Amino acid sequence: GAGVSQSPSNKVTEKGKDVELRCDPISGHTALYWYRQSLGQGLEFLIYFQGNSAPDKSGLPSDRFSAERTGGSVSTLTIQRTQQEDSAVYLCASSTPTGLNTGELFFGEGSRLTVL
Amino acid sequence: QQQVKQSPQSLIVQKGGISIINCAYENTAFDYFPWYQQFPGKGPALLIAIRPDVSEKKEGRFTISFNKSAKQFSLHIMDSQPGDSATYFCAARSLQGAQKLVFGQGTRLTINP
Repeated sequence: GAGVSQSPSNKVTEKGKDVELRCDPISGHTALYWYRQSLGQGLEFLIYFQGNSAPDKSGLPSDRFSAERTGGSVSTLTIQRTQQEDSAVYLCASSTPTGLNTGELFFGEGSRLTVL
Repeated sequence: QQQVKQSPQSLIVQKGGISIINCAYENTAFDYFPWYQQFPGKGPALLIAIRPDVSEKKEGRFTISFNKSAKQFSLHIMDSQPGDSATYFCAARSLQGAQKLVFGQGTRLTINP
């Protein structure tokens, strides 16, 4: 497909386990973002990658959260020692260099994480 | 720290009516204000956007009104239709420095037939 692809679409895990969420951005998009959507909380920025620049990690809520982007394409968001408050939908978005100036992000459908 | 405040949290409008969603921001460095529309089970998608050098932008039934001095902007949906039922997010970003979008809390809009 031509859109942003995220996997898994749903993940149920037990408290204390580690999880990995994957994002495959639109081909040619150099910017990649992770957001978290909790019920009634809007979209919370987590991390931003742009090309080869150092990522903006200012939104990561704790050191249990980390993300990497390999080869300027696929990104993985890792949550270690998951807690119940980590339950949310994790959204990935990508944009073109032009998009960086217009604000248009293309979002995937998200990975719904449930921590029991 | 919530930099963009959105209201109401939920809104019910009759078909054919006008839906109005309001947002206020704090950071005067913001200079781009998009609105995103999200249907259940889908990611948000860009609906319409405005820059602060204009006071209004219209695309079809959707209009953004912008008040720079008050640091407020709003989305108006004219002739609201059941297919407009979705969650709407306002957002803001600075085109200088940090490139991330800051989102409001979202408004769940329901259009009754």
